Amino acid sequence: DTAVSQTPKYLVTQMGNDKSIKCEQNLGHDTMYWYKQDSKKFLKIMFSYNNKELIINETVPNRFSPKSPDKAHLNLHINSLELGDSAVYFCASSHALAAQETQYFGPGTRLLVL
Amino acid sequence: GQNIDQPTEMTATEGAIVQINCTYQTSGFNGLFWYQQHAGEAPTFLSYNVLDGLEEKGRFSSFLSRSKGYSYLLLKELQMKDSASYLCALFTSGTYKYIFGTGTRLKVLA
Repeated sequence: DTAVSQTPKYLVTQMGNDKSIKCEQNLGHDTMYWYKQDSKKFLKIMFSYNNKELIINETVPNRFSPKSPDKAHLNLHINSLELGDSAVYFCASSHALAAQETQYFGPGTRLLVL
Repeated sequence: GQNIDQPTEMTATEGAIVQINCTYQTSGFNGLFWYQQHAGEAPTFLSYNVLDGLEEKGRFSSFLSRSKGYSYLLLKELQMKDSASYLCALFTSGTYKYIFGTGTRLKVLA
């Protein structure tokens, strides 16, 4: 069983389109995250949710809107895609939002905006 | 603010020992993590240090000095499968954020 899963794995789309990425974790964790990893492999936090509540919104353009329908799911919707949005997006989860908690990452969604 | 520095690339030989350094500046330090990321894959947890000293876990050890803002990951008996990026990350209290370094790409040569 996959602990943290994301769909789709690959996403190729045109500039200006709207797309969604889905994430599910079956670990019973309370906290979920979205990260963006750019071409230089820099992994940057975008959002974190704890018990479906938004905790961190890291100065992400409001074209990006996360939604957490329940603790096990955190989806990411992106409006009006731009070339600079091309990156790998990783979902992650942890037991709680606390210092010692290990994060478990999903396999990533490779987004290419043309 | 927070800042994390790691070397961009390192090369080592199979069977050798390699040390990957990480220096950081932060207010509200609350733990330092090391993650391994193979090309095209997700990061996976390696180690966590919150107190000064060395944590050993098989072939991998991680060291922390909070007063110096310094950590290192030590990999012994290198294997080809250890070729990967190694990410240093901080958890900062107050902001409840994980801040990742840019990672060190390690190449293990036969």
